[in-house]
Formats: sequence, C-alpha cells, structure tokens
Amino acid sequence: KQEVTQIPAALSVPEGENLVLNCSFTDSAIYNLQWFRQDPGKGLTSLLLIQSSQREQTSGRLNASLDKSSGRSTLYIAASQPGDSATYLCAVGAWGNNRLAFGKGNQVVVIP
Amino acid sequence: GAGVSQSPSNKVTEKGKDVELRCDPISGHTALYWYRQSLGQGLEFLIYFQGNSAPDKSGLPSDRFSAERTGGSVSTLTIQRTQQEDSAVYLCASSSQFAGGRQETQYFGPGTRLLVL
Repeated sequence: KQEVTQIPAALSVPEGENLVLNCSFTDSAIYNLQWFRQDPGKGLTSLLLIQSSQREQTSGRLNASLDKSSGRSTLYIAASQPGDSATYLCAVGAWGNNRLAFGKGNQVVVIP
Repeated sequence: GAGVSQSPSNKVTEKGKDVELRCDPISGHTALYWYRQSLGQGLEFLIYFQGNSAPDKSGLPSDRFSAERTGGSVSTLTIQRTQQEDSAVYLCASSSQFAGGRQETQYFGPGTRLLVL
C-alpha cells in the first residue's frame, strides 16, 4: 500500500521568504504526482502535475521536483505572500487508474 | 459545466438513516473518483469509475457504501444505515483518463460535509 508523508505538518514563514515543502512516498512505481492547495472549508485546487517520466514542473512562483527513485517530491514557492497561506497536499497517482494516495498536508501560514 | 459540482454541500442526518450524495463531473471527463476526508485524517480513496463501470471499489469501507454512475456523467454515493464514524467530507473528482500529461489532472468538487448525529 502506498504511504505518503509530508513534513513539516505545519510551518509559518515571514512574507517574502521562499517555502520548501517535502513529500515522500514508499512505492516508487507511480503514474504521476500532483500537488494541491486546500483552503479552509473548501475543495482542492490542483497546482502542478508531474508525470512519472518528468523531473520537475513549474508554474509561476511554484516549482515541483520529483525524484522517483528515492520516493521524494519537493514543492518550492518563491517569494511567499499572505495569500499563499493554505494547506498543501501531495498526492501520488497509481498505475492503471490514477487513484490518488494523499499525504496529510503541510499547513502553511505566511506572516505579513 | 465549468467545474465539478456536488450536492448537497452540507448534510446532517440521524444515525441509521440512508443518505445520497451527488457528483456532477466536468463535461466529457470519463474518469470519476470519490474520496473521503475525515477530521484529523488524510484524504482516502473510495471508488473509481471509468465511464459507467467501477473497476476499483477497493476503498469502500463497508457494504453499507455503494455508488453508481449513469450516462457516463452523474454519480451518486449512497451510505445506508449511517454511523457516526461516517461523518466526513466526501469529495468527488473527475479527469480525462489516459489523455496524457496535464489532462490527467484530477479536478475536485467543493465536497459534501456529512454529519451523522
């Protein structure tokens, strides 16, 4: 069974600092990896999707890397803003049906 | 529609009652997923549909849970004889399965918050 771990569980950073969020998974036979954002009481918003054959994806201030062999992904958010405050979820897609196995999230607070 | 929609947004029920949760996926998305997010727990997979078929039901926690999908579109998740431990947010997602690349992104609905008293 795929186990996904995210550390740290919670962190606070001053506005303008770069954020580094870590995700690890136990089974390297993944189909893809997605990073999501969840705001309190809301659904999930997809941020980035990395195919298993890719090493990284970038969108604006966000960059996600994938090291499949070591079972790790990192989400970088450059020059953090208060609007980046949210919970960030890492999810690993399984071969065959792309069902997602989620970590418990990194709860981020960006302090103005 | 523009996104995945779910109804109701909130549901309060008494223990032992049956509930139905509805998901309208993005038009044209062949893959549909149900997940559950319990307080203090991560999101857990429940069931996967490809078209109207459910080739993976392995995440359903008990035989009280069932789901169907009709017309390759709307899906209904039914929980019979609800228990307090069924209280959670039930999320639905859809995607263009096996289209490759970003098209396999799963788009989530806002969820149904179920409270069983």
